Amino acid sequence: EPEVTQTPSHQVTQMGQEVILRCVPISNHLYFYWYRQILGQKVEFLVSFYNNEISEKSEIFDDQFSVERPDGSNFTLKIRSTKLEDSAMYFCASSARGGGFYNSPLHFGNGTRLTVT
Amino acid sequence: AQSVTQLDSHVSVSEGTPVLLRCNYSSSYSPSLFWYVQHPNKGLQLLLKYTSAATLVKGINGFEAEFKKSETSFHLTKPSAHMSDAAEYFCVVTSNTGKLIFGQGTTLQVKP
Repeated sequence: EPEVTQTPSHQVTQMGQEVILRCVPISNHLYFYWYRQILGQKVEFLVSFYNNEISEKSEIFDDQFSVERPDGSNFTLKIRSTKLEDSAMYFCASSARGGGFYNSPLHFGNGTRLTVT
Repeated sequence: AQSVTQLDSHVSVSEGTPVLLRCNYSSSYSPSLFWYVQHPNKGLQLLLKYTSAATLVKGINGFEAEFKKSETSFHLTKPSAHMSDAAEYFCVVTSNTGKLIFGQGTTLQVKP
């Protein structure tokens, strides 16, 4: 079964540094997402992306965050100047159709654990 | 606004006994509901989804969930727990824009 793959599995960075988290969605999917889970907290939505544009973003997704689909296969999340509170597990997801509705569920990757020191 | 509440943060069962993980939802319209599972150091895997075609939904690995509109519940069950079922389980509802709203998660412990 096709999978969403994320690299790296674990990233350690110093506060203030830029990080790029990478994802390869399922090949025929058109909608892409980033979610994150701070340790001990709920999984929370960050951003959705379709047709090379952000469809929706949460209030967490401020100017230090950006997403990009630089080529036909990768989907990236960039954090420009990391803060301690950005430490979390970041999940990439994709779906064939939008909305995450029952006829087009999201498929998640294994996540990237980001540790900001 | 849509939301989900998982009533138990931690559930412990013995291997071979039934599993019940409880979830209540709030939605202003007919919801799309899911259960996802997360095994240690793994991603979020879809267990099952509510399609509105049937109130009893069968998922992978012997799990089921029953949609009860009158009780606004979508509890996850399995007749007989296996050791491999030990994981974190998330009840999820979609917002009106389609983003997923997660519950707090329930950790299932299976004792030998």
